[in-house]
Amino acid sequence: DSGVTQTPKHLITATGQRVTLRCSPRSGDLSVYWYQQSLDQGLQFLIQYYNGEERAKGNILERFSAQQFPDLHSELNLSSLELGDSALYFCASSVVLAGEQYFGPGTRLTVT
Amino acid sequence: AQSVTQLDSQVPVFEEAPVELRCNYSSSVSVYLFWYVQYPNQGLQLLLKYLSGSTLVKGINGFEAEFNKSQTSFHLRKPSVHISDTAEYFCAVSREGSYIPTFGRGTSLIVHP
Repeated sequence: DSGVTQTPKHLITATGQRVTLRCSPRSGDLSVYWYQQSLDQGLQFLIQYYNGEERAKGNILERFSAQQFPDLHSELNLSSLELGDSALYFCASSVVLAGEQYFGPGTRLTVT
Repeated sequence: AQSVTQLDSQVPVFEEAPVELRCNYSSSVSVYLFWYVQYPNQGLQLLLKYLSGSTLVKGINGFEAEFNKSQTSFHLRKPSVHISDTAEYFCAVSREGSYIPTFGRGTSLIVHP
């Protein structure tokens, strides 16, 4: 158990809908990262937040957005969902801005 | 930008045999290198990392990797595998100073009894 929690574990929704994935980092970790893992694209970095501020952006679509709240938990919002958004979404956290990341168990999103 | 190539998508081995999972990278700048393991239905766990210094890096669960700058490789090895090592293994690279990795496509290690 890494100490990073993600909810929900599974999510099934329809095309065009909007969902929110939640991540709680390890106690004391200030940095949160989001990743997408799909069969087509492999494992890709989406976005990083550090102490509430966006610090790095990867291959994140404009339909996706994220935020980190004062209590350091983070949410990833996915809107106008398409079939191709079906994937595992991982959250990771680290103590510092650049440091070893601890991954959560993931949220499996299925878009039908 | 950096990229990673994991040369084998699947590596089957018998229990107690040695194994090597291959990883090559490309980058125009100095890099950090990582190996992660993903057990079924779980998130990724860091096995080992190379930041600087000794090119032979030892990690958890008896794994080690060697950084070879001239061959731009970072192959993962274990002298004797167990059934419990069956998992997906990801090689990753980041630019020096960053821990945000670019991942390879993964190698599925399948250990047979």
